Amino acid sequence: DSGVTQTPKHLITATGQRVTLRCSPRSGDLSVYWYQQSLDQGLQFLIQYYNGEERAKGNILERFSAQQFPDLHSELNLSSLELGDSALYFCASSVQGVGVGETQYFGPGTRLLVL
Amino acid sequence: GNSVTQMEGPVTLSEEAFLTINCTYTATGYPSLFWYVQYPGEGLQLLLKATKADDKGSNKGFEATYRKETTSFHLEKGSVQVSDSAVYFCALELMYSGGGADGLTFGKGTHLIIQP
Repeated sequence: DSGVTQTPKHLITATGQRVTLRCSPRSGDLSVYWYQQSLDQGLQFLIQYYNGEERAKGNILERFSAQQFPDLHSELNLSSLELGDSALYFCASSVQGVGVGETQYFGPGTRLLVL
Repeated sequence: GNSVTQMEGPVTLSEEAFLTINCTYTATGYPSLFWYVQYPGEGLQLLLKATKADDKGSNKGFEATYRKETTSFHLEKGSVQVSDSAVYFCALELMYSGGGADGLTFGKGTHLIIQP
């Protein structure tokens, strides 16, 4: 158990809909990352937050957005969903999020299926 | 851009065999390098890491050495067990010159199957 929790575990929805994925980081970690794992694209970095502020952006679509709240939990919002958004979405956390080989701790993931 | 290349497999070995999973990278700087492991139905776990050239990361009998001259970080284990069956991901993280870093850039993952 990494200490990172994600809800829900599974989500089934229809094209065009909007969903929210939630992540609680390990106690004491200030930085949260979101990743998408799909069969065709592999594991891709989406976005990073540190202490409530966006710090780095990866291959995140404009239809997707995220935020980190004062209690440090984070939400990833996916809107106007398409079939290709079906994937496993991971949240990870780290203490500072400043690189230099800092370990990221991954949650169990949310599996999204868009029908 | 930055990228990581690793053999995708599946790689099938017998128990107690020697394991090597190759990983090479391309980066516009000096990255930190990682191996993560994903067991079925679980999230990723850090296996080992190295932050500078010639560093050796090791954990649970696995080793990898950061080779800057060949831009490689190959994973090795002398004697694998059935419990090592999983997907292994090589990854890099590049730090900005002013501090901070992008997220991890992952390879496609290598599916390892160990038969008794």
